[in-house]
Amino acid sequence: DSGVTQTPKHLITATGQRVTLRCSPRSGDLSVYWYQQSLDQGLQFLIHYYNGEERAKGNILERFSAQQFPDLHSELNLSSLELGDSALYFCASSVGPDRPLHFGNGTRLTVT
Amino acid sequence: ELKVEQNPLFLSMQEGKNYTIYCNYSTTSDRLYWYRQDPGKSLESLFVLLSNGAVKQEGRLMASLDTKARLSTLHITAAVHDLSATYFCAVDKSVGDSGGGADGLTFGKGTHLIIQP
Repeated sequence: DSGVTQTPKHLITATGQRVTLRCSPRSGDLSVYWYQQSLDQGLQFLIHYYNGEERAKGNILERFSAQQFPDLHSELNLSSLELGDSALYFCASSVGPDRPLHFGNGTRLTVT
Repeated sequence: ELKVEQNPLFLSMQEGKNYTIYCNYSTTSDRLYWYRQDPGKSLESLFVLLSNGAVKQEGRLMASLDTKARLSTLHITAAVHDLSATYFCAVDKSVGDSGGGADGLTFGKGTHLIIQP
């Protein structure tokens, strides 16, 4: 158990809908990262928050947004969903620079 | 744009054999990570390599980093069935004192390893 909690585990929704994925980092970790894993794109970095502030953006679509709250949990919001957004979304946390990422168990999103 | 290539992408080997997985990357970096993923599971950190010449070992796995060649290797010694998994290398494009992973990691496509009894 990595200590990173993601909910829900599975999500099935229709095209055009909006969903929110939630992540609680390990105790003491200030950094939260979101990654998308799909068969065709592999693991793609989406966004990084550190202590409530956005630090870096990766391949995140404009339809997607995230935030990190004062209690350090994070939410990834996906809107106007398309079939191609179906993937496994991982949250990872880290205590600081140059330290390994600890991944949650992921949220499997299926868009029908 | 940083590109990370792993080879092989698929590897079937017998227990007791040795093998090496290679990870090449396209731009300067002195930070590289190895992760393991079991089917349907999350990613588990194996090694963090933070300088040229870094070598880390854990059990039957040993990882090394050559920043001049932009190459990392993951060597498996006397493989056992429990090591069957997908192994990913991931590169941090930060160099020196900058960033330290803040810009996210670029992952290779993964090496799917099957170790047969």
